[in-house]
Amino acid sequence: AQKITQTQPGMFVQEKEAVTLDCTYDTSDPSYGLFWYKQPSSGEMIFLIYQGSYDQQNATEGRYSLNFQKARKSANLVISASQLGDSAMYFCAMREAYAGGTSYGKLTFGQGTILTVHP
Amino acid sequence: NAGVTQTPKFQVLKTGQSMTLQCAQDMNHEYMSWYRQDPGMGLRLIHYSVGAGITDQGEVPNGYNVSRSTTEDFPLRLLSAAPSQTSVYFCASSYSGGGNIQYFGAGTRLSVL
Repeated sequence: AQKITQTQPGMFVQEKEAVTLDCTYDTSDPSYGLFWYKQPSSGEMIFLIYQGSYDQQNATEGRYSLNFQKARKSANLVISASQLGDSAMYFCAMREAYAGGTSYGKLTFGQGTILTVHP
Repeated sequence: NAGVTQTPKFQVLKTGQSMTLQCAQDMNHEYMSWYRQDPGMGLRLIHYSVGAGITDQGEVPNGYNVSRSTTEDFPLRLLSAAPSQTSVYFCASSYSGGGNIQYFGAGTRLSVL
């Protein structure tokens, strides 16, 4: 079963508008972390935002916010006021503990969503 | 700030050759990990380490070896390269605080002919 599901292979948004990238996850671990990374065409992986499973409030980092709905197991990324430089691949990832082991140092990634920002 | 440094950036191998992908970090992070990224897919964990002298397998460990003799370095060894190992390889490091956010190197693009 997919641990991380990103159902939008590609998304388009007009410059200066907001866009939501979907992510659902599956885990039985009560303590987990959710992350979003950006991968521009140059190929590097850039950390954007983190949400812990026990965090009461949605995480925000500048123009990025994470819409965390724990009961629905969703962790959607919201980008406000899109810019041309936001055009990239976006990955949702999860850190979870395996039975008897640590979760640290291990991420499971979704397949990604390609975001294109139009001028 | 160097962060996570991977060498080489590009490599072409013939089937059966061996090589080592280098990864070094200067942030004193306890955790280091290797991932591979294939076209149209997210990253998959190959091996990881929770500290010097301690390594463990990830989702796709076959064909790869790792060791961690120092906190700073975490090399990935391909003993006998196969075309199925053609991929982009990323090394990442993290520490136990702050959510264990992983910071990635720039990647190594490997082609096995």
